[in-house]
Amino acid sequence: GQNIDQPTEMTATEGAIVQINCTYQTSGFNGLFWYQQHAGEAPTFLSYNVLDGLEEKGRFSSFLSRSKGYSYLLLKELQMKDSASYLCAVNLEDSWGKLQFGAGTQVVVTP
Amino acid sequence: SAVISQKPSRDICQRGTSLTIQCQVDSQVTMMFWYRQQPGQSLTLIATANQGSEATYESGFVIDKFPISRPNLTFSTLTVSNMSPEDSSIYLCSVGQSETQYFGPGTRLLVL
Repeated sequence: GQNIDQPTEMTATEGAIVQINCTYQTSGFNGLFWYQQHAGEAPTFLSYNVLDGLEEKGRFSSFLSRSKGYSYLLLKELQMKDSASYLCAVNLEDSWGKLQFGAGTQVVVTP
Repeated sequence: SAVISQKPSRDICQRGTSLTIQCQVDSQVTMMFWYRQQPGQSLTLIATANQGSEATYESGFVIDKFPISRPNLTFSTLTVSNMSPEDSSIYLCSVGQSETQYFGPGTRLLVL
């Protein structure tokens, strides 16, 4: 089977940093996505990692270690609008789109 | 980035009826995908909509229950057939483009 694990919930203060970890054991691997999903809305693409290392995009960074089956999403300078669910998803095959999602991490940003 | 629209955005349906959901993309894409997100859950892939051939279904999903059409490279439909309350979910269309996977706004379905 496919296993993608991430914490259920994290709470952090406005202006702080939060790191969301994701570990995976899947039958295939062709990259890992992070999405943000606000309640009642569709997922919004944040990042894609296919090679080991850190990808930085403004306040958000994503890291991948393929040998360890591990990724994290780093959110810096947290804002209230960052309160959302963050979804880790593995692209299982060479072709695009067959994503296996983790259960999501609910991030709550407090004043 | 791809712009994806879905119709309807939401619906309330009676048990035993069927609903067809439309997905329109603003550019031609090779593959389109249909996902389901049940209440409080993460996303699950239903099927890949292939242009010019039958859809490819994931384990647990069958064509009789979720027939899919893909008449061209910008459009697809998903039908939820003979609905039951367990089909109450958000149904999302998705496309891949330039190392990014985009999702449509979703169709929120409530079956009574």
